[in-house]
Amino acid sequence: QVQLRESGPGLVKPSQTLSLTCTVSGDSISSGISYWSWVRQPAGKGLEWIGRVYTNGFTNYNPSLKSRVTMSVDSSKTQFSLKMSFVTAADTAVYYCARETVRSNMVQGKIVISYYGMDVWGQGTAVTVSS
Amino acid sequence: EVVLTQSPGTLSLSPGERATLSCRASQNVSSNYLAWYQQRPGRAPRLLIYGASTRASGIPDRFSGSGSGTDFTLTITTVEPEDFAVYYCQQFGSSLLYPFGQGTKLDMK
Repeated sequence: QVQLRESGPGLVKPSQTLSLTCTVSGDSISSGISYWSWVRQPAGKGLEWIGRVYTNGFTNYNPSLKSRVTMSVDSSKTQFSLKMSFVTAADTAVYYCARETVRSNMVQGKIVISYYGMDVWGQGTAVTVSS
Repeated sequence: EVVLTQSPGTLSLSPGERATLSCRASQNVSSNYLAWYQQRPGRAPRLLIYGASTRASGIPDRFSGSGSGTDFTLTITTVEPEDFAVYYCQQFGSSLLYPFGQGTKLDMK
């Protein structure tokens, strides 16, 4: 059974860097069919996608956060991480990591990408930005 | 930039009733790239539907997804007490500002 677990400090000071790690068990980050994503949710609000990282280090980021976000895969291939710099109170939220499955197939000579959703989520970790 | 707008914001129903939740995209979205999630209070989201209409593993068959282009629907044929939650639609894309809709809260009447 695949499980994800977020870890990191629950309190970060304004202007500092938020660092979170997601530990993967029951699956391999190296499998090549999954992206590893971060989503956050401020209290009482909706879901905000932060970005995703692939096993080879390829990343996609939300354009609104791109200048402050870095995601990476640990060399052990059992963890991936999120770093967000220059945080403010607006970055206070529950942060989730998730597995996102994407597959590509050749259909009549063309590559067709199929998306299987964010099918495994961590329990979430609350981060507060405050001095 | 494609934006997903969900309606209604809140849907108040009694157990046993049928729920119809809408997700409208500002531009065409490939059905391959559309998913639905359920989020109960204090819990992580849970994948319900991917590819607009395929139920994820372990999801009861009272949940169904349909639609294409700009209009997508999540239907719960007979609402159970555990279904009262917030539902989000989501589109897959490489660098999206708003891949998630704002959510529909299914409330008990």
